[in-house]
Amino acid sequence: AQSVTQPDIHITVSEGASLELRCNYSYGATPYLFWYVQSPGQGLQLLLKYFSGDTLVQGIKGFEAEFKRSQSSFNLRKPSVHWSDAAEYFCAVGAERSFNKFYFGSGTKLNVKP
Amino acid sequence: NAGVMQNPRHLVRRRGQEARLRCSPMKGHSHVYWYRQLPEEGLKFMVYLQKENIIDESGMPKERFSAEFPKEGPSILRIQQVVRGDSAAYFCASSGETDTQYFGPGTRLTVL
Repeated sequence: AQSVTQPDIHITVSEGASLELRCNYSYGATPYLFWYVQSPGQGLQLLLKYFSGDTLVQGIKGFEAEFKRSQSSFNLRKPSVHWSDAAEYFCAVGAERSFNKFYFGSGTKLNVKP
Repeated sequence: NAGVMQNPRHLVRRRGQEARLRCSPMKGHSHVYWYRQLPEEGLKFMVYLQKENIIDESGMPKERFSAEFPKEGPSILRIQQVVRGDSAAYFCASSGETDTQYFGPGTRLTVL
């Protein structure tokens, strides 16, 4: 069965510092991977997605993620964090290419120190 | 182009009442998904619908919950005889002919 693990519940970084949020998935076939961000009281906004091809994908707001099949990981990175990045981040895996349900991790809450 | 719309944004019900949550997908999207987010947890899939059809309801509780996506109008998630454990944020997502699901702002249900 598919599953997603985000091992870090809370992360605090200083503004301007680099960021890496971890995501590990469990799925037998080729996964389709997503990162979403959720601000307090809001819905989820898509940051980036990976279906195939280049394992380093670029997203919005300066985020990128790297798919590593050998490690079953899809970690999210940003070289320099801004205060507005404080939010909760969710990794998700889709089982099939189209029209399928997503499995979400439990989320990582990011705090940004001034 | 309006995004996925959900209403109401906040809903308060007493135990035993019914809750109706509405979702209007993005224009041109014919696939709708409902997810539930309990406090301090990630989203859990509930049901996937296309127009007039339920495709996958493997995440729906067996009783009291139902969903529809009629030919005309929004998708409806209906919870009968609500209990305190139903308190959660309910998110709707839609997709078109691509693979990405776009999420609405959610409905936060509180059961007193």
